[in-house]
Amino acid sequence: GAVVSQHPSWVICKSGTSVKIECRSLDFQATTMFWYRQFPKQSLMLMATSNEGSKATYEQGVEKDKFLINHASLTLSTLTVTSAHPEDSSFYICSARGFRTGNHSNQPQHFGDGTRLSIL
Amino acid sequence: GENVEQHPSTLSVQEGDSAVIKCTYSDSASNYFPWYKQELGKRPQLIIDIRSNVGEKKDQRIAVTLNKTAKHFSLHITETQPEDSAVYFCASGWGYSTLTFGKGTMLLVSP
Repeated sequence: GAVVSQHPSWVICKSGTSVKIECRSLDFQATTMFWYRQFPKQSLMLMATSNEGSKATYEQGVEKDKFLINHASLTLSTLTVTSAHPEDSSFYICSARGFRTGNHSNQPQHFGDGTRLSIL
Repeated sequence: GENVEQHPSTLSVQEGDSAVIKCTYSDSASNYFPWYKQELGKRPQLIIDIRSNVGEKKDQRIAVTLNKTAKHFSLHITETQPEDSAVYFCASGWGYSTLTFGKGTMLLVSP
């Protein structure tokens, strides 16, 4: 199946630090990428949706100045948690959908491995 | 917006038994219903999906049924194995675009 790579897999940093998480689609063109947050034993909470070359659309209650999303190419989206605080500690997962390179087959959402963020 | 309800929240079965997880959705425009399996600390993996133009889809031991009139869909796992233990999420959406996820079902398969 389609492969989505997410880095880093875990981050531990001090309060006030900004953290950048990368999400890459390795074998298909990701026209849309999604960023989710998942608390322990809970479901996936959509934070924002980004279409390549456009500004991200944020879900209600998600601060766009806090969670900066860039989707400048068909294979890469980044989420930057600015001035992170302990309450930002969570599991962040990206997913991507788009078209497979070559045969242009439509791809459903495939998830990255997630990033566990711990803010001290 | 779309609302997806998933039941049960936990399900314990013996190895070899069948497991059924049910979801309902609210938006009649939804036409795509995937199921994801998430093992602890890992990514959700797409295990099966169904579109609104079919009522049932099967892939080896797993199957999904859809009732558009009642707005519900179910995941069926037969001959369960311990490695089936995980959290399963249903989701609903239009096309492959934004998905609304259920709260998840923790499936425990005892040997």
